[in-house]
Parts: sequence; structure tokens; C-alpha cells
Amino acid sequence: KAGVTQTPRYLIKTRGQQVTLSCSPISGHRSVSWYQQTPGQGLQFLFEYFSETQRNKGNFPGRFSGRQFSNSRSEMNVSTLELGDSALYLCASAPGVQGGTDTQYFGPGTRLTVL
Amino acid sequence: DAKTTQPPSMDCAEGRAANLPCNHSTISGNEYVYWYRQIHSQGPQYIIHGLKNNETNEMASLIITEDRKSSTLILPHATLRDTAVYYCIVRVTQGGKLIFGQGTELSVKP
Repeated sequence: KAGVTQTPRYLIKTRGQQVTLSCSPISGHRSVSWYQQTPGQGLQFLFEYFSETQRNKGNFPGRFSGRQFSNSRSEMNVSTLELGDSALYLCASAPGVQGGTDTQYFGPGTRLTVL
Repeated sequence: DAKTTQPPSMDCAEGRAANLPCNHSTISGNEYVYWYRQIHSQGPQYIIHGLKNNETNEMASLIITEDRKSSTLILPHATLRDTAVYYCIVRVTQGGKLIFGQGTELSVKP
């Protein structure tokens, strides 16, 4: 079974621009979560989507948004980029089934550099 | 979600067992213990999880104390490729975010 895929793997943007990152979950998984990893703050939760609805949200400004499509693929968008948004953005998928442990499996990440 | 405490770094000789401790004294009855590892700049890799019984899979063993306030991840025969940051996380089984601490940086040396 193919793992979580993220595109693009690397991205360079300038301040003020916006960016869209894409995540394709493991086949059959319905939950997709996004995380930001920086050297200073470590791994931080951004948000989780399940069945096209945002189910959980971390403590990030409204410039960070996401969505999930009917095929469970997800995108996250960052508007008005700041230098501090330079980070590794990680997507994780989970089955989302009730009654069992909902282990999250991570993709390779998208490395975003803001100049 | 409960907080976890891990040593910041550990060394292990290649071929020996690596025992990584984790304290989670405020864990709730419905929270599982999860372990992930992250090799430099890659996505975290799921290793193992458990509730109260010891667990073993092809990668590692997880030993949880009877009071569930601490656990140990055991890599039975560490190799150089096991050099990574290991994260211990406690969370409820369904949904919810993973709260990553600073983890333990394991260095496996020849």
C-alpha cells in the first residue's frame, strides 16, 4: 500500500506571497492532519480534517487554512507569507475508524523556505 | 493530552539493545502511549503503541509499567540506521492531535 505523499517536496517563496501544499493520504484513510516543524518550536499541530470537515485546530493564525476533498486528499494554504513560516510542513493520515486506535502515518514533508 | 518527559540524548553501541525511557505520570486511563522516530529532516515514522500491556512488533518492544506512569522503548539490536530523534507521545485513541515534545536524540555508534 502506498504511503502518504506530499507535493511539492521543496518550495521557495518570498514574503507576502501565498502557498498551497498538497497531501494524498494512504488509501482508505479518512483523517488528515497537518503539522509544522521548525528548529525553534519543534513539531506543532496545525489542524485535522475528517470527512471534509475540520475536526481539530491548533494555535496558529488565520493565515493558515486547509481543506479536504471528497477523496480525502487535503491541501493547506498559507497566505501573506512571513519569514517565520519557513519550516517543514508534515501531513499525517489515519484511518479515522471508530473503535480502534487511530495511528497517524506521516508523509515525507514539504520544505518551505520564505525569502 | 498528558505531557511526557524524555532524556534529551542517549548513546548506544551498535548491536546492543537501546532502552529509551519516557515518563508520563499524568496519563489518563483512556490514553495510549505512542512512539515515533524522526530521522533527520524526514517525516516521523510510527514505531509502536500500547495501552497497558507490553507490546512487540518487528521494530521494537514497548514496556509499560503497571501504574502506567512510565514506559520504555526497546530496540533489541540497534544499528547505525536507528540513529534518530525518538518521540514518546500519549494521546486518546480517536482523533486528536499528536503533541510532540523534544524527544530523545539517540546516537548509535560503531
